[in-house]
Amino acid sequence: EVQLVQSGTEVKKPGESLKISCKTSEYSFTSYWIGWVRQMPGKGLEWMGIIFPGDSDTRYKPSFQGQVTVSADKSISTVYLQWSSLKASDTAVYYCARLRGIDGYSVDYWGQGTLVTVSS
Amino acid sequence: DIGMTQSPLSLPVTPGEPASISCRSSQSLLYSNGKSFLDWYLQKPGQSPQLLIYSSSNRASGVPDRFSGSGSGTNFTLKISRVEAEDVGIYYCMQALQIFPTFGGGTRVDIK
Repeated sequence: EVQLVQSGTEVKKPGESLKISCKTSEYSFTSYWIGWVRQMPGKGLEWMGIIFPGDSDTRYKPSFQGQVTVSADKSISTVYLQWSSLKASDTAVYYCARLRGIDGYSVDYWGQGTLVTVSS
Repeated sequence: DIGMTQSPLSLPVTPGEPASISCRSSQSLLYSNGKSFLDWYLQKPGQSPQLLIYSSSNRASGVPDRFSGSGSGTNFTLKISRVEAEDVGIYYCMQALQIFPTFGGGTRVDIK
């Protein structure tokens, strides 16, 4: 069964760096786009960035360009989301999500979510 | 970006009764193969979203047949034939035409 297992809850201070992970299994990691979705407290879902691990093609929504880095490690089938300097407004739940890529870009598998709290 | 608009924002429902949610896109989601790439997701309280409907009208694996999707182009509808208590949560439509999908704002469904 396909699984996306995310790293655990993080509590950080403004200005700190952070890297969260999404370990995948039971599918060909290099054959699907996979990305990160932000859900701020009480709000809806927003795509941040996506990566195709097969060739490392990485794309960002304009509002997140330069604010985060999406990367992948093919050797361990894991995708990462990284901040160099967190802000309080980064407080949210972050989901990794696999794009099916057949008949459109539906999300067929989701991670369980990682809660990131940024507070002084 | 393709804009997605859902209505209503909130939908109180009675168990056993039908329910309907609408979604409109700012541009056509119709692909050259005749399919419209519009998905519906349900986010139950405290959980990750789950795929209910893809390509406007196809139920995802394991989704009960009380859920159905319809529409083409820019106007879409999700219908629940008889609402059950486990159907509460936030429903999102999402355009799956572009490599960067876009979600609607969500419709909160709860029991009256």
